[in-house]
Order: sequence, then structure tokens, then C-alpha cells
Amino acid sequence: GAVVSQHPSWVICKSGTSVKIECRSLDFQATTMFWYRQFPKQSLMLMATSNEGSKATYEQGVEKDKFLINHASLTLSTLTVTSAHPEDSSFYICSARVAGRPTETQYFGPGTRLLVL
Amino acid sequence: GEDVEQSLFLSVREGDSSVINCTYTDSSSTYLYWYKQEPGAGLQLLTYIFSNMDMKQDQRLTVLLNKKDKHLSLRIADTQTGDSAIYFCAEKNSGGYQKVTFGTGTKLQVIP
Repeated sequence: GAVVSQHPSWVICKSGTSVKIECRSLDFQATTMFWYRQFPKQSLMLMATSNEGSKATYEQGVEKDKFLINHASLTLSTLTVTSAHPEDSSFYICSARVAGRPTETQYFGPGTRLLVL
Repeated sequence: GEDVEQSLFLSVREGDSSVINCTYTDSSSTYLYWYKQEPGAGLQLLTYIFSNMDMKQDQRLTVLLNKKDKHLSLRIADTQTGDSAIYFCAEKNSGGYQKVTFGTGTKLQVIP
């Protein structure tokens, strides 16, 4: 149980285009989902926390108009990178918190590798 | 803000034990986690420990927590080549936001 999927697993796009990444909890309901960014050989950087039915909470330094997050249902959150530029190229990972479990542990998706040309 | 530090690299021979260390600064941590990341993949939760515990064992994995020194370690017994990966420790604070902060990651290389 507690499987999180992401789609697509990798994407290449031209500079200036927008890219949407989906994060789904497959066998549980996730009231909270998290979006992380990971640069090569570095740790995960939390970008935003997404609660179902409400606006996402962005970390300091993360542009909310650049990285649009929608969490419309208990099993789906989307991250849209708007007007992508080469510096947005990165590995984006989502995670979902399993509501009601004692540890409130986050379960991670497999990640989406974005390359902006 | 919270800070979580790990050594960058560890190399061990197959069959030996591996010990990965982590230090953190947040005194209000509630849960501490160990995650494994294989190349090109997301993070897999290995184990966790509640902050009022000092040890947890789960098959080949042993987690030790020294809350006074804010030091967490992960011991992998009988390390196998399949254990080669990057290991992240993470801590969750007790604030209302309950943010999880990840360490810098330790790359474990297992030599056959």
C-alpha cells in the first residue's frame, strides 16, 4: 500500500512552454501532498505543500506564479511549470502524506525529470 | 532554520556492516526518517524512529538516536551490492506546519 505515481517520468520541452506534472496516490487518500525539487547530487528542496481543496503553501524563494500547484482531489495534485526556462531543468519529486497513520509518513513518487532546451 | 547534515560518501565491502551518520539541529523533532534513493528514482522509506526512542531494529537495519547530541545513525548489517544507493535522513518538527527537512544524502558504495 501507499503507492504514489508521477506522470510523466521524464519530459523535454522548449524554453517558454509550460509543463504539467501529475502526482497521484494510487491506493490511499492524501490530504496533503508535497512537491520537491532535486538538483544533481543534492538533497531535496521543498517547494510547496499542497492541501486538498485549498491554496498551496510555498516555501520562501519559490515563485508561486511560476510553479502552479493544484490539488483538486484527495488523490491528485498537479505541478505546472509555466514558461519553463533551462534553469528549471531538474528532478521534481512529489510525496503524499497518509492521513490517519500514526507516523504521518510521507510516501514518495518516482520523480519526473524535466529538461528545458 | 533547521539543518540536517550527513557525510557525502561511504564505501564498504560486501558482507560488512555500514554505518551512516546524520546530525540535526532542530530540538523539536518528532520523527526522524531514513530514506533510500536509487539512481533516477524517487525516495523509498526505509525506517523511522520516534524522538522518544533511542533505538529501533528492523531486520538488517538498526537506527540509533542520541537526542542529547542530536545524532542519528543507520546501521545496515551484512551490506549487499543492492544496498548501493543514496541514503537521506530527514526530521519532522513538532510545529503546526510539520515540515520535513532532508539531509544532504550519503552515497553508499558497496564493493563486491
